[in-house]
Amino acid sequence: GQNIDQPTEMTATEGAIVQINCTYQTSGFNGLFWYQQHAGEAPTFLSYNVLDGLEEKGRFSSFLSRSKGYSYLLLKELQMKDSASYLCAVSKWMNTGFQKLVFGTGTRLLVSP
Amino acid sequence: KAGVTQTPRYLIKTRGQQVTLSCSPISGHRSVSWYQQTPGQGLQFLFEYFSETQRNKGNFPGRFSGRQFSNSRSEMNVSTLELGDSALYLCASSGGLAGVETQYFGPGTRLLVL
Repeated sequence: GQNIDQPTEMTATEGAIVQINCTYQTSGFNGLFWYQQHAGEAPTFLSYNVLDGLEEKGRFSSFLSRSKGYSYLLLKELQMKDSASYLCAVSKWMNTGFQKLVFGTGTRLLVSP
Repeated sequence: KAGVTQTPRYLIKTRGQQVTLSCSPISGHRSVSWYQQTPGQGLQFLFEYFSETQRNKGNFPGRFSGRQFSNSRSEMNVSTLELGDSALYLCASSGGLAGVETQYFGPGTRLLVL
């Protein structure tokens, strides 16, 4: 089976930095995605990590440690529009020989003025 | 390039009815995946189609089925609806070729079962 854990909710202040953690246990691990989902909208792609280390993309960075089954999403210079749910998703190989995404339940981030 | 489109956007049905949802992927994308999203369970994988063939399937009962057409458009069907089927149904498309590819989501169909 698989298990993906992330905090249910986090709060932060505009301009601050926040780190959203994700831990996973799964067989056939291939890589890890982060998606952002605003209320009532579709998830949108933020980042993808397949190798250990940090991937930086503007105000957002994502880190992966395959040996520890751990990832985090770092959001800098928080803005009000960053209030959303952040979904951690593991890409894993299936017995079919193809991959599928398994999502965590998401972390709801509330940014206050 | 147009994004992933889903129809209808909202749907109200009663228990025991059946429903068909439609998804048109991004042009050139051959893989379509379907997910069910509920507040308690998050995004749950239903199935994935590539070139009209189901490649992967999640742990949902047989009441949930899908298909894909030669133009890559996909439909999912839920028969004998139950109250617990009320959810946001999302489809996502990707190129579907070897390796991991980013999935792009449609706006979803919000289904309410009364």
